[in-house]
Amino acid sequence: DGGITQSPKYLFRKEGQNVTLSCEQNLNHDAMYWYRQDPGQGLRLIYYSQIVNDFQKGDIAEGYSVSREKKESFPLTVTSAQKNPTAFYLCASSTQDGFNEKLFFGSGTQLSVL
Amino acid sequence: QKEVEQNSGPLSVPEGAIASLNCTYSDRGSQSFFWYRQYSGKSPELIMSIYSNGDKEDGRFTAQLNKASQYVSLLIRDSQPSDSATYLCAVNPGAGSYQLTFGKGTKLSVIP
Repeated sequence: DGGITQSPKYLFRKEGQNVTLSCEQNLNHDAMYWYRQDPGQGLRLIYYSQIVNDFQKGDIAEGYSVSREKKESFPLTVTSAQKNPTAFYLCASSTQDGFNEKLFFGSGTQLSVL
Repeated sequence: QKEVEQNSGPLSVPEGAIASLNCTYSDRGSQSFFWYRQYSGKSPELIMSIYSNGDKEDGRFTAQLNKASQYVSLLIRDSQPSDSATYLCAVNPGAGSYQLTFGKGTKLSVIP
């Protein structure tokens, strides 16, 4: 089945530690995205990538880093510089159909601080 | 700053009633509009998209768009307890843009 796989489902970070969230898609979509969701809040864009080896900062990129070495994969690293990392992280992908494009989401990763 | 506003709710409706969810947006040039349903602890799921003024129906769901008023709504007919979720409105500002702006969502509770 085609889809977007995020792992792990739950992740705990210690003070000063970097952690990496995995996102893999087999939908053959060109564009991939990372969103952060805090309780009672909408989704805020962290980073997005339209093609391999290229990515752009979203609204809240500080304290995060990404890579896009393969079309299928778009991992997100939450660095120690992100002082408030506790949130629900969502990876998404889409075809690039201009304004007709639709986002498809993975199942999410809940990150908490120990 | 592009903004998408939704009433956070909770919106409570009895089973079988019509639930009406509303969304306003600030960018007059916005081209496409989406409604996502999100169950607690789960990821958003696309349920409706609309691109032109008027109504678009899909089963029990109807999306309504009025670009002059910068307003988009979602009607759910014959509401079921399984419709209880948070509904997110998302707006794409224009062709070539890949940054959807999301509202904070409206929590809907359907009471049996």
